[in-house]
Amino acid sequence: TQLLEQSPQFLSIQEGENLTVYCNSSSVFSSLQWYRQEPGEGPVLLVTVVTGGEVKKLKRLTFQFGDARKDSSLHITAAQPGDTGLYLCAGAGAEYGNKLVFGAGTILRVKS
Amino acid sequence: EAQVTQNPRYLITVTGKKLTVTCSQNMNHEYMSWYRQDPGLGLRQIYYSMNVEVTDKGDVPEGYKVSRKEKRNFPLILESPSPNQTSLYFCATAVGYEQYFGPGTRLTVT
Repeated sequence: TQLLEQSPQFLSIQEGENLTVYCNSSSVFSSLQWYRQEPGEGPVLLVTVVTGGEVKKLKRLTFQFGDARKDSSLHITAAQPGDTGLYLCAGAGAEYGNKLVFGAGTILRVKS
Repeated sequence: EAQVTQNPRYLITVTGKKLTVTCSQNMNHEYMSWYRQDPGLGLRQIYYSMNVEVTDKGDVPEGYKVSRKEKRNFPLILESPSPNQTSLYFCATAVGYEQYFGPGTRLTVT
């Protein structure tokens, strides 16, 4: 059982569509991060959110941390083929010995 | 350029043949760790090191060893690899909880 559940597991969409990826847990996290991983490379940090209700934007990507700090979402507007990759959420909190725990990831494919 | 490097990038070996995967960082970070990535399971931490000569077990340490004799290097050692250690391995450094990953080593044990 994953401590952080990501949904959907797979997403295949056309260029220009919008999408949302979810990261859910029953635990409270002191901070939550999103990473993107492209084939043959390591994950790259996109954003860190630390405050309940926090919203951060990175160009066409919008990240939100839930009010209770148990969940997060990543919304991509007008997806492009360059957004294709594996999106991972990761949370840190006292419940996990202050180590980072990762979700299994969402594989996104954007077709042109 | 700030980076984490791993070698080799690809390795096919046989059961029981000792191997070492090297990891080096030029960011002067104290914290380093090793993860394995398997489909459907995400990234799981194998070992981590808070500083030189300080290492500790992560979530899946069985079958692995590490050493941290100097700040920049953190090799992962498989004394007697088995097929269930076939996986994609990542070395990472960290500042706070923000991780900086190497490019990965794909290991196949037959």
